[in-house]
Amino acid sequence: EVQLVESGGAVVQPGGSLRLSCAASGFTFDDYTMHWVRQPPGKGLEWVSLISWDGGSSHYPDSVKGRFTVSRDNNKNSLHLQMNSLRTEDTALYYCAKENHQDAFDLWGQGTMVTVSS
Amino acid sequence: AIQLTQSPSSLSASVGDRVTMSCRASQDISSSLVWYQQKAGKAPKLLIYDASTLESGVPSRFSGSGSGTDFTLTISSLQPEDFAAYYCQHLNTYPITFGQGTRLEIK
Repeated sequence: EVQLVESGGAVVQPGGSLRLSCAASGFTFDDYTMHWVRQPPGKGLEWVSLISWDGGSSHYPDSVKGRFTVSRDNNKNSLHLQMNSLRTEDTALYYCAKENHQDAFDLWGQGTMVTVSS
Repeated sequence: AIQLTQSPSSLSASVGDRVTMSCRASQDISSSLVWYQQKAGKAPKLLIYDASTLESGVPSRFSGSGSGTDFTLTISSLQPEDFAAYYCQHLNTYPITFGQGTRLEIK
């Protein structure tokens, strides 16, 4: 089955760290650029990171740059997001998403919830 | 960063209605515009890419148009399963951004 399954979400204190994972199956993982997108409760979507098919290139918005690091293990068909110096405004449902060859996100996971609170 | 502004923010309509919603970019993004549908408690679903190309499996009542800075998503005849939130997105440059969404509600 073609799917993405996120894990690793938790409740963490401000200033803390967390590592999210996304397990991919049913497609050739190393053919595709992968992304993380987040959605605060009741709000809209925010792009969080991109990593190229080979891991050689990554991009972030200013809101997480320097705090979040995306990585991938093509041997294990897995995507990761290391989140440091977490802030209350990072509280959100975090999705991993696959970018197809037409520059669109055609496959999404079900999301994993990160809550930053003291 | 390119800003995407969606209007209206919410829309009430009835089954069978034709509805349109707008997405305006703060600068020219050619046709690099994508539309997603998100139902409550679910992940977003790809509807349209390249501004007007329908994703495989998406009903033909959905259509997209526009280029440059002004884009439109049209649903020709609303079905009960279409009541959801709709987001536009560009991947023209970094950072990738989404519009704030249009919530389509039952009248």
